Amino acid sequence: DAGVTQSPTHLIKTRGQQVTLRCSPISGHKSVSWYQQVLGQGPQFIFQYYEKEERGRGNFPDRFSARQFPNYSSELNVNALLLGDSALYLCASSRGTGLHENEQFFGPGTRLTVL
Amino acid sequence: GQQLNQSPQSMFIQEGEDVSMNCTSSSIFNTWLWYKQDPGEGPVLLIALYKAGELTSNGRLTAQFGITRKDSFLNISASIPSDVGIYFCAGPYNFNKFYFGSGTKLNVKP
Repeated sequence: DAGVTQSPTHLIKTRGQQVTLRCSPISGHKSVSWYQQVLGQGPQFIFQYYEKEERGRGNFPDRFSARQFPNYSSELNVNALLLGDSALYLCASSRGTGLHENEQFFGPGTRLTVL
Repeated sequence: GQQLNQSPQSMFIQEGEDVSMNCTSSSIFNTWLWYKQDPGEGPVLLIALYKAGELTSNGRLTAQFGITRKDSFLNISASIPSDVGIYFCAGPYNFNKFYFGSGTKLNVKP
Protein backbone atom coordinates (compact mmCIF):
# COMPACT_ATOMS: atom_id res chain seq x y z
CA ASP A 1 0.00 0.00 0.00
CA ALA A 2 1.25 3.49 -0.84
CA GLY A 3 2.22 5.69 2.06
CA VAL A 4 1.73 9.43 2.32
CA THR A 5 3.01 11.18 -0.78
CA GLN A 6 4.08 14.79 -1.08
CA SER A 7 5.01 17.03 -3.98
CA PRO A 8 7.23 18.61 -4.92
CA THR A 9 10.27 17.11 -3.21
CA HIS A 10 12.27 20.31 -3.29
CA LEU A 11 11.35 23.91 -4.02
CA ILE A 12 13.29 27.15 -4.22
CA LYS A 13 11.43 30.45 -3.97
CA THR A 14 12.34 34.08 -3.36
CA ARG A 15 11.09 36.34 -0.59
CA GLY A 16 7.58 37.64 -1.16
CA GLN A 17 6.53 34.80 -3.43
CA GLN A 18 3.76 32.33 -2.74
CA VAL A 19 4.04 28.55 -2.62
CA THR A 20 1.63 25.60 -2.73
CA LEU A 21 2.59 22.19 -1.37
CA ARG A 22 0.55 19.05 -2.00
CA CYS A 23 -0.14 15.89 -0.04
CA SER A 24 -1.99 12.65 -0.66
CA PRO A 25 -2.87 10.61 2.43
CA ILE A 26 -2.73 6.88 2.94
CA SER A 27 -5.76 5.21 1.37
CA GLY A 28 -8.60 5.10 3.90
CA HIS A 29 -7.23 7.96 6.00
CA LYS A 30 -9.56 10.92 6.30
CA SER A 31 -7.37 13.38 8.17
CA VAL A 32 -4.31 15.30 7.01
CA SER A 33 -2.00 17.40 9.15
CA TRP A 34 0.81 19.77 8.18
CA TYR A 35 4.02 20.41 10.06
CA GLN A 36 7.03 22.67 9.66
CA GLN A 37 10.42 21.31 10.68
CA VAL A 38 13.44 23.57 10.79
CA LEU A 39 16.90 22.07 11.09
CA GLY A 40 17.68 20.72 14.52
CA GLN A 41 14.14 20.92 15.86
CA GLY A 42 11.11 18.70 16.13
CA PRO A 43 8.16 19.17 13.76
CA GLN A 44 5.90 22.13 14.58
CA PHE A 45 2.18 21.59 14.08
CA ILE A 46 0.52 23.93 11.56
CA PHE A 47 -2.93 22.51 10.74
CA GLN A 48 -5.09 19.42 10.97
CA TYR A 49 -7.96 18.83 8.56
CA TYR A 50 -10.64 16.18 8.81
CA GLU A 51 -13.44 15.70 6.32
CA LYS A 52 -12.47 19.01 4.64
CA GLU A 53 -12.80 20.99 7.85
CA GLU A 54 -10.02 22.57 9.88
CA ARG A 55 -9.87 20.78 13.23
CA GLY A 56 -6.70 22.23 14.69
CA ARG A 57 -4.35 25.14 14.11
CA GLY A 58 -0.90 25.80 15.49
CA ASN A 59 0.77 29.14 16.20
CA PHE A 60 1.45 30.20 12.63
CA PRO A 61 0.57 33.51 10.96
CA ASP A 62 -2.33 33.95 8.57
CA ARG A 63 0.12 33.72 5.66
CA PHE A 64 -0.25 29.96 6.14
CA SER A 65 -3.46 28.40 4.89
CA ALA A 66 -4.58 24.95 3.86
CA ARG A 67 -7.49 23.05 2.48
CA GLN A 68 -8.60 19.46 2.10
CA PHE A 69 -10.35 18.10 -0.95
CA PRO A 70 -13.18 15.55 -1.24
CA ASN A 71 -10.62 12.81 -2.01
CA TYR A 72 -8.88 13.74 1.31
CA SER A 73 -5.77 15.12 -0.38
CA SER A 74 -4.59 18.48 0.86
CA GLU A 75 -2.71 21.62 -0.10
CA LEU A 76 -0.71 23.96 2.10
CA ASN A 77 -0.31 27.53 0.88
CA VAL A 78 2.18 30.02 2.19
CA ASN A 79 1.97 33.64 1.03
CA ALA A 80 4.51 36.44 1.19
CA LEU A 81 7.40 34.07 1.87
CA LEU A 82 10.05 35.07 4.39
CA LEU A 83 13.58 33.71 4.72
CA GLY A 84 12.48 32.10 7.99
CA ASP A 85 9.93 29.96 6.13
CA SER A 86 12.79 27.83 4.81
CA ALA A 87 12.17 24.40 6.28
CA LEU A 88 11.08 20.83 5.66
CA TYR A 89 7.29 20.77 5.37
CA LEU A 90 5.83 17.48 6.44
CA CYS A 91 2.40 16.11 5.78
CA ALA A 92 0.92 13.38 7.95
CA SER A 93 -2.28 11.41 7.59
CA SER A 94 -4.40 9.61 10.18
CA ARG A 95 -7.59 7.58 10.12
CA GLY A 96 -9.41 10.25 12.09
CA THR A 97 -9.00 12.64 14.98
CA GLY A 98 -10.28 10.59 17.90
CA LEU A 99 -8.33 8.52 20.39
CA HIS A 100 -6.74 5.49 18.67
CA GLU A 101 -7.43 7.11 15.27
CA ASN A 102 -5.03 10.02 15.42
CA GLU A 103 -1.69 8.22 14.95
CA GLN A 104 0.16 10.42 12.48
CA PHE A 105 1.87 8.73 9.51
CA PHE A 106 4.30 11.03 7.75
CA GLY A 107 5.31 11.58 4.16
CA PRO A 108 8.89 12.28 3.07
CA GLY A 109 8.41 16.06 3.17
CA THR A 110 8.94 18.99 0.84
CA ARG A 111 12.19 20.90 1.34
CA LEU A 112 11.43 24.63 0.83
CA THR A 113 14.28 27.08 0.45
CA VAL A 114 13.49 30.80 0.43
CA LEU A 115 16.22 33.06 -0.98
CA GLY B 1 1.72 26.04 23.52
CA GLN B 2 2.73 22.81 25.17
CA GLN B 3 6.37 21.90 25.54
CA LEU B 4 7.69 18.35 25.46
CA ASN B 5 11.17 18.08 26.97
CA GLN B 6 13.29 15.19 25.79
CA SER B 7 16.45 13.93 27.39
CA PRO B 8 19.17 13.31 26.72
CA GLN B 9 19.63 15.63 23.72
CA SER B 10 22.14 13.23 22.22
CA MET B 11 23.90 10.04 23.14
CA PHE B 12 26.85 8.06 21.87
CA ILE B 13 26.74 4.35 22.64
CA GLN B 14 28.51 1.16 21.63
CA GLU B 15 26.75 -1.38 19.45
CA GLY B 16 25.03 -3.94 21.65
CA GLU B 17 24.32 -1.54 24.52
CA ASP B 18 20.84 -0.72 25.80
CA VAL B 19 19.49 2.83 25.48
CA SER B 20 16.97 4.79 27.53
CA MET B 21 15.44 8.14 26.75
CA ASN B 22 12.51 10.03 28.16
CA CYS B 23 10.02 12.77 27.47
CA THR B 24 8.25 15.01 29.98
CA SER B 25 5.48 17.55 29.79
CA SER B 26 3.96 20.08 32.16
CA SER B 27 0.49 18.98 31.01
CA ILE B 28 -1.37 15.70 30.94
CA PHE B 29 -1.41 13.85 27.62
CA ASN B 30 -3.85 11.08 26.69
CA THR B 31 -1.62 9.63 23.99
CA TRP B 32 2.13 9.30 23.64
CA LEU B 33 3.73 8.49 20.30
CA TRP B 34 7.37 7.71 19.63
CA TYR B 35 8.93 8.36 16.22
CA LYS B 36 12.32 7.84 14.58
CA GLN B 37 13.57 10.17 11.87
CA ASP B 38 16.45 9.51 9.51
CA PRO B 39 18.17 12.43 7.73
CA GLY B 40 16.09 13.87 4.88
CA GLU B 41 13.08 11.68 5.61
CA GLY B 42 9.80 11.98 7.44
CA PRO B 43 9.40 10.58 10.97
CA VAL B 44 8.38 6.93 11.21
CA LEU B 45 5.96 5.85 13.94
CA LEU B 46 7.54 3.30 16.31
CA ILE B 47 5.12 2.88 19.21
CA ALA B 48 1.78 4.36 20.30
CA LEU B 49 0.65 4.45 23.95
CA TYR B 50 -2.88 5.22 25.12
CA LYS B 51 -3.16 4.34 28.80
CA ALA B 52 -1.32 5.49 31.92
CA GLY B 53 1.10 2.78 33.01
CA GLU B 54 0.91 0.98 29.67
CA LEU B 55 4.07 -0.82 28.57
CA THR B 56 4.29 -1.66 24.86
CA SER B 57 7.01 -3.39 22.86
CA ASN B 58 7.91 -3.37 19.19
CA GLY B 59 10.81 -5.75 18.63
CA ARG B 60 13.80 -4.41 20.57
CA LEU B 61 11.90 -1.23 21.45
CA THR B 62 9.85 -0.83 24.62
CA ALA B 63 7.95 2.28 25.61
CA GLN B 64 5.99 3.18 28.71
CA PHE B 65 3.22 5.69 29.37
CA GLY B 66 4.04 7.33 32.70
CA ILE B 67 1.60 6.97 35.59
CA THR B 68 1.28 10.75 35.96
CA ARG B 69 0.42 10.96 32.22
CA LYS B 70 3.04 13.71 31.98
CA ASP B 71 5.91 11.54 30.83
CA SER B 72 6.93 8.62 28.68
CA PHE B 73 10.03 6.49 28.26
CA LEU B 74 11.58 4.66 25.33
CA ASN B 75 14.11 1.87 25.70
CA ILE B 76 16.09 0.21 22.93
CA SER B 77 17.81 -3.05 23.76
CA ALA B 78 20.94 -4.44 22.11
CA SER B 79 21.44 -1.44 19.84
CA ILE B 80 22.60 -1.91 16.25
CA PRO B 81 24.03 0.60 13.75
CA SER B 82 20.68 1.08 11.98
CA ASP B 83 19.23 2.47 15.25
CA VAL B 84 21.12 5.69 14.48
CA GLY B 85 18.75 8.60 14.03
CA ILE B 86 16.68 11.14 15.93
CA TYR B 87 13.94 9.90 18.23
CA PHE B 88 10.95 12.13 18.93
CA CYS B 89 8.15 11.85 21.41
CA ALA B 90 4.85 13.40 20.41
CA GLY B 91 1.27 13.67 21.51
CA PRO B 92 -2.02 15.34 20.68
CA TYR B 93 -3.18 17.96 23.15
CA ASN B 94 -6.94 18.54 23.16
CA PHE B 95 -7.06 15.79 20.47
CA ASN B 96 -6.35 18.03 17.53
CA LYS B 97 -3.08 19.89 18.18
CA PHE B 98 0.04 17.80 18.00
CA TYR B 99 3.22 18.58 19.90
CA PHE B 100 6.66 17.12 19.30
CA GLY B 101 9.69 17.06 21.55
CA SER B 102 13.03 18.45 20.41
CA GLY B 103 14.42 14.97 19.86
CA THR B 104 17.15 12.66 21.15
CA LYS B 105 19.94 12.08 18.64
CA LEU B 106 21.31 8.55 18.89
CA ASN B 107 24.75 7.59 17.61
CA VAL B 108 25.85 3.94 17.66
CA LYS B 109 29.51 3.02 17.33
CA PRO B 110 30.06 -0.37 15.65
